[in-house]
Amino acid sequence: DVKVTQSSRYLVKRTGEKVFLECVQDMDHENMFWYRQDPGLGLRLIYFSYDVKMKEKGDIPEGYSVSREKKERFSLILESASTNQTSMYLCASSLNPGAAFFGQGTRLTVV
Amino acid sequence: KQEVTQIPAALSVPEGENLVLNCSFTDSAIYNLQWFRQDPGKGLTSLLLIQSSQREQTSGRLNASLDKSSGRSTLYIAASQPGDSATYLCAVMNRDDKIIFGKGTRLHILP
Repeated sequence: DVKVTQSSRYLVKRTGEKVFLECVQDMDHENMFWYRQDPGLGLRLIYFSYDVKMKEKGDIPEGYSVSREKKERFSLILESASTNQTSMYLCASSLNPGAAFFGQGTRLTVV
Repeated sequence: KQEVTQIPAALSVPEGENLVLNCSFTDSAIYNLQWFRQDPGKGLTSLLLIQSSQREQTSGRLNASLDKSSGRSTLYIAASQPGDSATYLCAVMNRDDKIIFGKGTRLHILP
């Protein structure tokens, strides 16, 4: 079975902190994704990576950056966390093309 | 830009009924369409994947259909059970490998 693991289930950070959300997949998938999910807005794509060191902006990249130094790991970085980045963050991976598999989510609260 | 719409946004039905959830998308140039289930506070669980060349997929009590030319998919749930209560999400993988989601249908099965 595909396993996508996010480093934390719950995080509380202070405004202005630099925040790292980590995601690891164990199925050698080319594609990895970061989404945020908010009530009434659904899942919105933040960034997408189709290979090591390759990335593309999604619909809402402002305030975020990503890093993919190894195929299995995709990190989402909040350079200076703000309260409007309080959300559920979901990581996914897929083959190119193929079915997407999701991690368990990280609920981030910025205070 | 791909847009995915799910109707209805919420649905309550008595246990034992058959039901249909709807998904529509604006750009038919897709690789595949995937249906997910999400329980409150949790990640997404993949239910069914339909490749663009396929018309339907079945898994147990679930059947998903795809009409790519009209930009529509349905998820049919037979003999609904209280354990089916969840949010159901539809997602399409575009030709650029990005995965775009609808906002979901919240399903409540009444015992």
